[in-house]
Amino acid sequence: DAKTTQPTSMDCAEGRAANLPCNHSTISGNEYVYWYRQIHSQGPQYIIHGLKNNETNEMASLIITEDRKSSTLILPHATLRDTAVYYCIVTINSGTYKYIFGTGTRLKVLA
Amino acid sequence: DAGVIQSPRHEVTEMGQEVTLRCKPISGHDYLFWYRQTMMRGLELLIYFNNNVPIDDSGMPEDRFSAKMPNASFSTLKIQPSEPRDSAVYFCASRSSGRDYGYTFGSGTRLTVV
Repeated sequence: DAKTTQPTSMDCAEGRAANLPCNHSTISGNEYVYWYRQIHSQGPQYIIHGLKNNETNEMASLIITEDRKSSTLILPHATLRDTAVYYCIVTINSGTYKYIFGTGTRLKVLA
Repeated sequence: DAGVIQSPRHEVTEMGQEVTLRCKPISGHDYLFWYRQTMMRGLELLIYFNNNVPIDDSGMPEDRFSAKMPNASFSTLKIQPSEPRDSAVYFCASRSSGRDYGYTFGSGTRLTVV
């Protein structure tokens, strides 16, 4: 699996958009980008994933650069409940479905 | 669906004792994963199963750890004998190869070995 690099921590004001970057410069053509988050003491929660097109669901938007070497997770209107550790994972979407979690970004949403 | 169910939520045991952690995956999911999380090492994949068969156990730290999946609705992770360094939160997760909504994780078992 490709390695990912994320900032250790970020702050965001409540109600503003939170933009969480992820670098995955060694991503292969058949590898997807997945985002999960882990709220304190809970199991990680799936947010969104994509291959090369931008994706949006009820939780977030995922923007993948054209060369696919980086992506950004966007929480459009962050709330205090979005305070969590956010993990960016790059993996193939068949066969093993094995995830290797990095250290993630600790997002703190400030009132 | 009740999600992935793990038991117990908390376990405190003495060094040397056997510990068994349990997991009930989501019905219909054909993959099951066991992860361990510590402050020092983060989330580590221990083992995963496909259709009840262990596929990759390369993350199992040593022979003291074993995992089984006797049927599609139940899996166990056993540590025998337990050691203080096994103290961690153990997560079980499942997913379906047919639908891509990623993994669904359980709430975890917090294990403390004293």
